[in-house]
Amino acid sequence: DAKTTQPTSMDCAEGRAANLPCNHSTISGNEYVYWYRQIHSQGPQYIIHGLKNNETNEMASLIITEDRKSSTLILPHATLRDTAVYYCIVRGYNQGGKLIFGQGTELSVKP
Amino acid sequence: GAGVSQTPSNKVTEKGKYVELRCDPISGHTALYWYRQSLGQGPEFLIYFQGTGAADDSGLPNDRFFAVRPEGSVSTLKIQRTERGDSAVYLCASSLEGENEQYFGPGTRLTVT
Repeated sequence: DAKTTQPTSMDCAEGRAANLPCNHSTISGNEYVYWYRQIHSQGPQYIIHGLKNNETNEMASLIITEDRKSSTLILPHATLRDTAVYYCIVRGYNQGGKLIFGQGTELSVKP
Repeated sequence: GAGVSQTPSNKVTEKGKYVELRCDPISGHTALYWYRQSLGQGPEFLIYFQGTGAADDSGLPNDRFFAVRPEGSVSTLKIQRTERGDSAVYLCASSLEGENEQYFGPGTRLTVT
């Protein structure tokens, strides 16, 4: 599975969009980009995943560059409850098995 | 509906003792995963079950760690001769076969003194 690189931490003002970047320059053609987040003292929570097209759900939007070497998770209107560590993970689709978590980005949403 | 549950939520044990950690997956989920998370780190994969069998146990750190899932539902992670370095939060997750989303439990915090 390809390695990902994320900033260690980011701040965002409440009500603003939070844009979390992820680099995955070694991603292969059949690998998807997944995002999970982990709120303090809880287990990780799935957010969204995508292959090459931009994706949106009720939680977030995922923008993947055309060369697929990087992506951005967007929380359109961040709230205090979005404060968490956000993990970007690259993995083959429907392969079951492990998720390989990196260090993630610690997002702090401030009032 | 009920999510993934793990018991106990906290476990304190002495070095050298044996511990068992339990995971109840979401009903109907055939895949079950164990991870452990040390302070300040992302979760680290331990083992993955598809049904009753371990499909991938490449993350188990050594032979003191063992996990079972005898009926394809509840799983138990067993740690023998615990060491202080085993202290961590042990997370369990489950998913439907072939699905991408893993649902995580709240974890068991293991402290070895």
